[in-house]
Amino acid sequence: EVQLVESGGVVVQPGGSLRLSCAASGFTFDDYTMHWVRQAPGKGLEWVSLISWDGGSTYYADSVKGRFTISRDNSKNSLYLQMNSLRTEDTALYYCAKDIIGYSSSFDYWGQGTLVTVSS
Amino acid sequence: EIVLTQSPATLSLSPGERATLSCRASQSVSSYLAWYQQKPGQAPRLLIYDASNRATGIPARFSGSGSGTDFTLTISSLEPEDFAVYYCQQRSNWPLGGTFGPGTKVDIK
Repeated sequence: EVQLVESGGVVVQPGGSLRLSCAASGFTFDDYTMHWVRQAPGKGLEWVSLISWDGGSTYYADSVKGRFTISRDNSKNSLYLQMNSLRTEDTALYYCAKDIIGYSSSFDYWGQGTLVTVSS
Repeated sequence: EIVLTQSPATLSLSPGERATLSCRASQSVSSYLAWYQQKPGQAPRLLIYDASNRATGIPARFSGSGSGTDFTLTISSLEPEDFAVYYCQQRSNWPLGGTFGPGTKVDIK
């Protein structure tokens, strides 16, 4: 059974930093592109970032480019999101999601999310 | 940036009825469109990818159609567990992750 379990979400002040983690199991982690997708409270979905199977390619939404860094450790079946210079508008539930194949950016498995609150 | 518009915002139907949800793109996305279902307190669930392909384990009552700028998700006969919010998502700006529509809420009439 595929499982994605996010952690690391907390309350942080504007300008602060945070690292999210996602532990994957139930599939061959290093075969797949992985993504972060977020959802502000009561709002819709926003794709944040992706990383290729080997970590060699990364892409970001314009809203987080230059502030967030995605990475992965295939030896630990883990995905990460380093979030710097946080803004109030980054407040959201952050989901880790698995790509269905390649860079399709169709997400066939999702974690339950970890809540990041940026507030003074 | 490609903008997705979903209609209606809310669809009130009874179990057993047919649901037809629309997603329109501001420019062509070819067939690079997916549909997701989200229930309160849960993560989204992939239903349809590439406009018409059902994801693994998705019941046959869910079907997708369309190409270019106009797409439809049809639920042939609503089950009680189908009342939820449905999002469309385009991925034509590969390799970026695409954009989502604002959602259609299907609620019980």
